Amino acid sequence: GIQVEQSPPDLILQEGANSTLRCNFSDSVNNLQWFHQNPWGQLINLFYIPSGTKQNGRLSATTVATERYSLLYISSSQTTDSGVYFCACSQGGKLIFGQGTELSVKP
Amino acid sequence: GAVVSQHPSRVICKSGTSVKIECRSLDFQATTMFWYRQFPKKSLMLMATSNEGSKATYEQGVEKDKFLINHASLTLSTLTVTSAHPEDSSFYICSARPGNTEAFFGQGTRLTVV
Repeated sequence: GIQVEQSPPDLILQEGANSTLRCNFSDSVNNLQWFHQNPWGQLINLFYIPSGTKQNGRLSATTVATERYSLLYISSSQTTDSGVYFCACSQGGKLIFGQGTELSVKP
Repeated sequence: GAVVSQHPSRVICKSGTSVKIECRSLDFQATTMFWYRQFPKKSLMLMATSNEGSKATYEQGVEKDKFLINHASLTLSTLTVTSAHPEDSSFYICSARPGNTEAFFGQGTRLTVV
């Protein structure tokens, strides 16, 4: 099955800093999503981005499907951005998750 | 976006009892839903695919008799943890996709078996 790898596993930032999270996947996909898991466990949809670039406020994402990677950019980070960020991919219907990046933004 | 609702959000049960978790798609129909399990500080692991009107498809290593899945309607899938033991304690979360686009997740259920 498809393998999904995320880096870095942990990231500590000062408030206001920018960051880039990476997601590599082992095969072609028809679905790629980025999520933020809040402290209560809820998965918040950030981007549905099997290819191309999207932006939503301080967050943006780019997927280069031919090279099998996706990047999530967080600009001007805030303490509320803290949490775990997951990338998940699928070839059919079921999403396979990466191991996540745990982000901690310090005030 | 679409709404997936999961209930209960938290449950504590005694060893040997069974617990049922519900997953509902509130504003769309879902012929397929997915059940995941998450251990503390770990990623989400796919347990099974729930298929409306037919048997669920379980991932390798997931006990079918332990985790019973029923998808009786186009908006409801249930996961029953049977004869629960402390090692079944975990965070369980379901998802569904409206159409062939992005997946949406329920709020999750934190199960504690004592």
